[in-house]
Amino acid sequence: EAGVAQSPRYKIIEKRQSVAFWCNPISGHATLYWYQQILGQGPKLLIQFQNNGVVDDSQLPKDRFSAERLKGVDSTLKIQPAKLEDSAVYLCASSLGKGTAGSPLHFGNGTRLTVT
Amino acid sequence: QKEVEQDPGPLSVPEGAIVSLNCTYSNSAFQYFMWYRQYSRKGPELLMYTYSSGNKEDGRFTAQVDKSSKYISLFIRDSQPSDSATYLCALNSGAGSYQLTFGKGTKLSVIP
Repeated sequence: EAGVAQSPRYKIIEKRQSVAFWCNPISGHATLYWYQQILGQGPKLLIQFQNNGVVDDSQLPKDRFSAERLKGVDSTLKIQPAKLEDSAVYLCASSLGKGTAGSPLHFGNGTRLTVT
Repeated sequence: QKEVEQDPGPLSVPEGAIVSLNCTYSNSAFQYFMWYRQYSRKGPELLMYTYSSGNKEDGRFTAQVDKSSKYISLFIRDSQPSDSATYLCALNSGAGSYQLTFGKGTKLSVIP
């Protein structure tokens, strides 16, 4: 089975610019997640979608971050305007079910964002 | 106190050694315990998961959970250079909560 696809792999922008990341989950996976992984830290959940709907966005900085999942498949995560502290790897993951131990998360290889 | 504590290492061992990786947690609501392996510049991949206290074995890997001490471990027997990666513990409370709380990860190097 094809894995979770993300693009771009790397992005360098200046602070106050905007940036967008794209994710294509594994076919048939209803649940999609965006995680932020700062260097030396574990991934932190930003937003979780179940099909088209948002399940959890409690840790998404909504003043600058937005995400959408069109037609319950692909998703984009946008940052506008970017801050220096947004430098991180942005990981997309998908799962068949609701992401508990019985329905593991499959991660993409991430987009490494550097904000200068 | 952070919800999940994990020593970031780095940990360097010779090939063939037994490796012990650990996490402690403070929230007794956690019910599911997972270990993810993350190679450099790759996404995490699920290695092991357990639900209850006790041991679970899969090949060279053993996951151990002690809920009374709020302590989880991953043991790797006969470690190989291909085991060199960062190992992340991840915890979930279940009961309708789908969020995983990750540790910082321990970077392991297995020297040939």
